[in-house]
Order: sequence, then structure tokens, then C-alpha cells
Amino acid sequence: QSVLTQPPSVSGAPGQRVTISCTGSSSNIGAGYDVHWYQQLPGTAPKLLIYANTNRPSGVPDRFSGSKSGTSASLAITGLQAEDETDYYCQSYDSSLTAYVFGTGTKVTVL
Amino acid sequence: QVQLVESGGGVVQPGRSLRLSCAASGFTFSSYAMHWVRQAPGKGLEWVAIIPYDGSSQYYADSVKGRFSISRDNSKNTLYLQMNSLRAEDTGVYYCARDQGWFDPWGQGTLVTVSS
Repeated sequence: QSVLTQPPSVSGAPGQRVTISCTGSSSNIGAGYDVHWYQQLPGTAPKLLIYANTNRPSGVPDRFSGSKSGTSASLAITGLQAEDETDYYCQSYDSSLTAYVFGTGTKVTVL
Repeated sequence: QVQLVESGGGVVQPGRSLRLSCAASGFTFSSYAMHWVRQAPGKGLEWVAIIPYDGSSQYYADSVKGRFSISRDNSKNTLYLQMNSLRAEDTGVYYCARDQGWFDPWGQGTLVTVSS
């Protein structure tokens, strides 16, 4: 099972702000390894959303932002839109496992 | 543009083998490490393996170690995943992804189904 824990689901009304947490440990996020976030639309491949904790690739709306503190990281979506309703995954590296690790995934629902 | 296209998936019996390919274009393939990541039906993402730009080493998830082998042919801009002794739990979509410290971009994926 994954060593990065995310809430199974979060929801919000259009225009609201939602946050997704990604909780790790001292061998991954807490060890200083960067956290990256991916968005996966149904039936498609994951797409990079945030890299190196806080950076948005070109083309990603500034409604998406990332942060990291201690053994956790968060993805925030402000001004929630219907098209944001999909799955999101965090990802980092774990030195104890010597493996790249993904979060358990979070389904965002727009009410 | 940067593109990764996987192929080679299909239905295979438990214990048999399968080789996946990932054709890269739009970037200097030989300059980047590459990953395989998989996703079981209805489940989350699981990292499978990584190979550095020159193919000099390989690292695997414990779940596939000793059964899977990642390789590359830089002259053909192609990444491979040789999967042996396949199990039902290996069923899923397999994605290749370029390493930049993060995974980007990803291919569209190829479905592997292990079933008798």
C-alpha cells in the first residue's frame, strides 16, 4: 500500500476553495524530497499539475497551487470549476523503500 | 511535440511473459531517465521501474523485482518493459513517463490483462 496518504474524496461548490492533503513521513516528504501533483481525468493518463512542491507547468491555471511543510504537502484549488472534478495524486520519493511513491489518490467532486 | 506511445499490451495467462514498448519522440530520448508506472483497474498509481539515460542501472518496485526488467535502446528512442512470471495482480494499465525529477509527460498507456 501507499506510504503517502490522501483523503479519498473532497468536495466543494463552484467557486469555492478546496484543499487536498498528502501526508507522508520522515523517509519521504519529511526527508526533504519534493512533492509533485498529478491530475487524472477519467480514462486518460495522469498529467503533471504541480512540480517541486509549488511550481505550475506552463498551461496549468493559477487556480492550482501547492505547498509543503514538515511531513505533509497540500494541493489547493481556488475558484473550483466543474472541469476540476476528477482524481488527483501526490508523488514523492521514499529513501527507506528506495522507491518512487504515489499518494492514495483523491476524488474531487464539484457540488 | 514531446510524445510517448506505449504498445505491447494484451491478454496473457498467469506465469507467461509479455514485453511492452514505449516509443519516444519530440525530445532527446538519450538524455533522460525513464519510468514505468502502472494502475490496476479502479485503483491508484504504482511506480514500477526506472532506468537512467544511459541504461547503466535499473531500479524496481519490490512487487516486480526479479520478474520484470526495464531496458532501453537509445538508437531507436524506445523504452521496454519485459514482464515475466505474470500474476493476476499485474493486471492494469502500464504507462511510461519521462523523468525530470517528476513524471512528465506520460504516454497514453497500454492495458495488460493477466487471466486464464
